[in-house]
Amino acid sequence: GNSVTQMEGPVTLSEEAFLTINCTYTATGYPSLFWYVQYPGEGLQLLLKATKADDKGSNKGFEATYRKETTSFHLEKGSVQVSDSAVYFCALNTGNQFYFGTGTSLTVIP
Amino acid sequence: EAGVTQSPTHLIKTRGQQATLRCSPISGHTSVYWYQQALGLGLQFLLWYDEGEERNRGNFPPRFSGRQFPNYSSELNVNALELEDSALYLCASTQRGGDPMNYGYTFGSGTRLTVV
Repeated sequence: GNSVTQMEGPVTLSEEAFLTINCTYTATGYPSLFWYVQYPGEGLQLLLKATKADDKGSNKGFEATYRKETTSFHLEKGSVQVSDSAVYFCALNTGNQFYFGTGTSLTVIP
Repeated sequence: EAGVTQSPTHLIKTRGQQATLRCSPISGHTSVYWYQQALGLGLQFLLWYDEGEERNRGNFPPRFSGRQFPNYSSELNVNALELEDSALYLCASTQRGGDPMNYGYTFGSGTRLTVV
């Protein structure tokens, strides 16, 4: 079946620290992979995506590379800011339905 | 361009009552998806509507139902409310042609349903 596993949080970092949030997946076929971000009190916003193996998605300083050999799509940012505090969801889509991870809460302290 | 809009923002109901949640997709989007985000459980897929038809359904009991109108807006109805139905209900839509593999979803801000 299809599923997404994210590292459990919460994650607390100091401003300007390096961020990695791990995400691995199980899928039939060739899924597209996504990271969504949910700021407090809001819905989910698409952060970045990759539609095939070795693609790198990037946005707002965040990056993730679609690694088929390790079935992973880890989210990284070189220098986090307080405004990056949110919940991050990894997701896959096989063309019929989205499957989301359980979310990783990130808090960045000044 | 207006985003996905959901109403009401908050809804408080008593156990056993019915709740109706509404969603208006982005103009030109024909597919609407409903998700339940219960505390600590991530997003659980509820329903998918496209062109007025129910296309797929998640693992929820029949008291969760909905429909899509000719203007592509959608309603989610939850009958015989239970305490564990308390959650944030998110609606999402996809671009014309409905290719979520390329474009992903655009989510609304959700309706917070509290059952007391």
